[in-house]
Formats: sequence, C-alpha cells, structure tokens
Amino acid sequence: DAKTTQPNSMESNEEEPVHLPCNHSTISGTDYIHWYRQLPSQGPEYVIHGLTSNVNNRMASLAIAEDRKSSTLILHRATLRDAAVYYCILAANAGGTSYGKLTFGQGTILTVHP
Amino acid sequence: DTGVSQNPRHKITKRGQNVTFRCDPISEHNRLYWYRQTLGQGPEFLTYFQNEAQLEKSRLLSDRFSAERPKGSFSTLEIQRTEQGDSAMYLCASSLWMGRLPEAFFGQGTRLTVV
Repeated sequence: DAKTTQPNSMESNEEEPVHLPCNHSTISGTDYIHWYRQLPSQGPEYVIHGLTSNVNNRMASLAIAEDRKSSTLILHRATLRDAAVYYCILAANAGGTSYGKLTFGQGTILTVHP
Repeated sequence: DTGVSQNPRHKITKRGQNVTFRCDPISEHNRLYWYRQTLGQGPEFLTYFQNEAQLEKSRLLSDRFSAERPKGSFSTLEIQRTEQGDSAMYLCASSLWMGRLPEAFFGQGTRLTVV
C-alpha cells in the first residue's frame, strides 16, 4: 500500500480555517485520497475523498496537488467539535485483493482552542 | 437505521479465555471490515468480507483470530486463548460496494481488556 505522511499534531483557534496537509509521493494512478476523522471514544468517521479534482462537501474541502503527491484537507471554520484525529488514506479503487481496503496511519491530532 | 452496531461495548477476560464479538452492519451493506486499534495508533486492518465471502485476512493476524459472516449480514470475530497483547479496541465497519470504493461507516467498537 502507498504510504501517507502527516504532521503528528496541529492546533487551531475556533472559527478559524484549518489546513491539514498530507504527503503521498508514491501514490499510484488508481489511488483515491480519503480522509477520515476520529473523535474521542468514537469509531472513525468519513470526511471526504477525491481522485484528481478538488472536492467540496458540507464537512470540508479537499485540495489535491496537480501532481497528486500531496493534498490538503480544509476545514473552513473550525469548531470545538472538530477536535479529533484526522487520517489521510490512500485506497486502491481498482484491482487486487486490497481493492477497497482502508489502511490507516497515525493521523494528525487536531486541537481546537476556544 | 441506527448505523453499525457492535456488542459488547466492553469485555474484560482472563488470559487464556476465548472471546467473541458481534457486529451488525448497516442493513443493505455488502462489505464488512474488522479493525483493531491500540492506544495512540490508527486502526489496523484485520479482515473483510463481501457478503459471506472473506476476501482478505491480514498476514499479521494470528491463527487464534477467526471471523465469520455466515449469511452475509452480521459478523462475529472470535479470539481464542486470549493474550494480554490482544487488549485493544476492535472496530467494525460496513460499506455498500458497487464497483468503486464508497465511504465506510464504523461502529463504536468493542474494548477488550485481557487481565
């Protein structure tokens, strides 16, 4: 599985935008970029995913570099409820037994200050 | 639909005992995944099913672990002869697979403590 690199931790203030980076220099052409987050004492929760184009949904935006070797998850206005561990995951979308399996790294711990 | 349900939420067992966990996925979801998570680490993949077929099992998984999904609905994960190193959160997830990777929905997990 292709690997991702994320900062161990980041901090933000409430109501400010947060940009969570992820490096994935060995990404293959069939890998989708997925983001999940895990709130304290909860299972992971889907945030967003994309392939090449930037993506927006009600939770966040995903900005993908033109060469696809990095991406950024953008929370437009952080709230205290956004404090969580954020995981950037590459998931193959075609072929092989790993098709559709999510491989988590250690993620980025986001702290949001009031 | 109440989402992915896992039972029990907590389990304390003595070393050497067998334990079984249950996962009820979202009703129409055909894929079901098991993960294990220890403190400070991301979830580690264990195995997954498409309907009743077990498609992949982690090479790191001991033979003491076995999972079933007999009718393509709920799944059980059994750990035989538990060891202290098995203490972890066991997470189940489900998704509706239609040829491309959809979002996975996770349960709240079963926390296992082996004493």
